[in-house]
Amino acid sequence: AQSVAQPEDQVNVAEGNPLTVKCTYSVSGNPYLFWYVQYPNRGLQFLLKYITGDNLVKGSYGFEAEFNKSQTSFHLKKPSALVSDSALYFCAVRVTSPYSSASKIIFGSGTRLSIRP
Amino acid sequence: GAVVSQHPSRVICKSGTSVKIECRSLDFQATTMFWYRQFPKQSLMLMATSNEGSKATYEQGVEKDKFLINHASLTLSTLTVTSAHPEDSSFYICSARPITTGAGGELFFGEGSRLTVL
Repeated sequence: AQSVAQPEDQVNVAEGNPLTVKCTYSVSGNPYLFWYVQYPNRGLQFLLKYITGDNLVKGSYGFEAEFNKSQTSFHLKKPSALVSDSALYFCAVRVTSPYSSASKIIFGSGTRLSIRP
Repeated sequence: GAVVSQHPSRVICKSGTSVKIECRSLDFQATTMFWYRQFPKQSLMLMATSNEGSKATYEQGVEKDKFLINHASLTLSTLTVTSAHPEDSSFYICSARPITTGAGGELFFGEGSRLTVL
């Protein structure tokens, strides 16, 4: 079955330190991968995506993600964390139906990122 | 950037009544919109894919007669929770993908609608 997993419920990092939020996936065909961030009681904001091209993708707010095909991973990273980065982060993947051209996006379980001053 | 407006942001209703939530793409057209449900401290669960001019595609386990979806135009989709019960209380989020971006395009999300059924 096509799926996306975020193995960590919570990640705690000190401000100024690098951060990594992990994501692995399982899809048919070439993966379309996304990262979104959610602040309390709000919708989701797009951070970045990988469709094709360079394995290192740069996105909003200084975030980047590295696509690793052999490990089927798409970890989100930032060199220096800010307290304002504290939020809920979702990895997402496009999945396609084997019977039609229809596609949809499914989300991982989310990782709560907490940055301490 | 692309903006999706969702209304109402909060609604409280009595058990047995119906509630309509609107999702509008303000500056782009979308043939496809998606409705998600999010429980507290949990991920987004895809409920259905809303297709302009045709019937919505529901995920397994989602009751079609309970959650009515209408995609009347390229900028508007509505979700109606019929005969709401307390267990329908949740955070409902819509999203849309611009026509111009195709299947690889990112989704743009509304701010969500928190439904509380008393």
